[in-house]
Amino acid sequence: QKEVEQNSGPLSVPEGAIASLNCTYSDRGSQSFFWYRQYSGKSPELIMFIYSNGDKEDGRFTAQLNKASQYVSLLIRDSQPSDSATYLCAASSGSARQLTFGSGTQLTVLP
Amino acid sequence: EAQVTQNPRYLITVTGKKLTVTCSQNMNHEYMSWYRQDPGLGLRQIYYSMNVEVTDKGDVPEGYKVSRKEKRNFPLILESPSPNQTSLYFCASSLRQGRFEQYFGPGTRLTVT
Repeated sequence: QKEVEQNSGPLSVPEGAIASLNCTYSDRGSQSFFWYRQYSGKSPELIMFIYSNGDKEDGRFTAQLNKASQYVSLLIRDSQPSDSATYLCAASSGSARQLTFGSGTQLTVLP
Repeated sequence: EAQVTQNPRYLITVTGKKLTVTCSQNMNHEYMSWYRQDPGLGLRQIYYSMNVEVTDKGDVPEGYKVSRKEKRNFPLILESPSPNQTSLYFCASSLRQGRFEQYFGPGTRLTVT
């Protein structure tokens, strides 16, 4: 059974701080990794994807991938109250037929 | 506007009454998928389709059927709904199999009494 694990939180950070969200996965064949943001009552929205080891930056967001440790993280710099949401980590297998999601980490950015 | 649409958005029904939730995308995506989301369990894949007439089971397919007769549409069918199928359902699509930048529909909240 392929698994993607996330700390459910809630994670609270003050406005302007760095929020760090973590994810581990069990399937070593996983090759693509995604972070989705989901506001309460809304559908998930893709914010970052990463395929290669290392860091990938997009604005205030940085995704980090370490395949040897089977670990993916998302850093949000200069956190804003509008970043308060549930963040879902997802991984797809080498065959890329399925996407497995973690249960999500709830982030609250305090003004 | 590029989008994935689902209908209905909200549905309350009774056990055993067949229902269909429609999903349509206007992005010419090959890959489409259905998920259910339950508190504490996250998003779990029900069925997916890599192209027209090609469908396969996800992690929780029991009690569901799908069809893909046209590229843009991927309806989810519950032949005999039961209360344990009460959930929030999302349809999603992506350009093709190898790229999983999935775009999600707005969701359908289903209650089976």
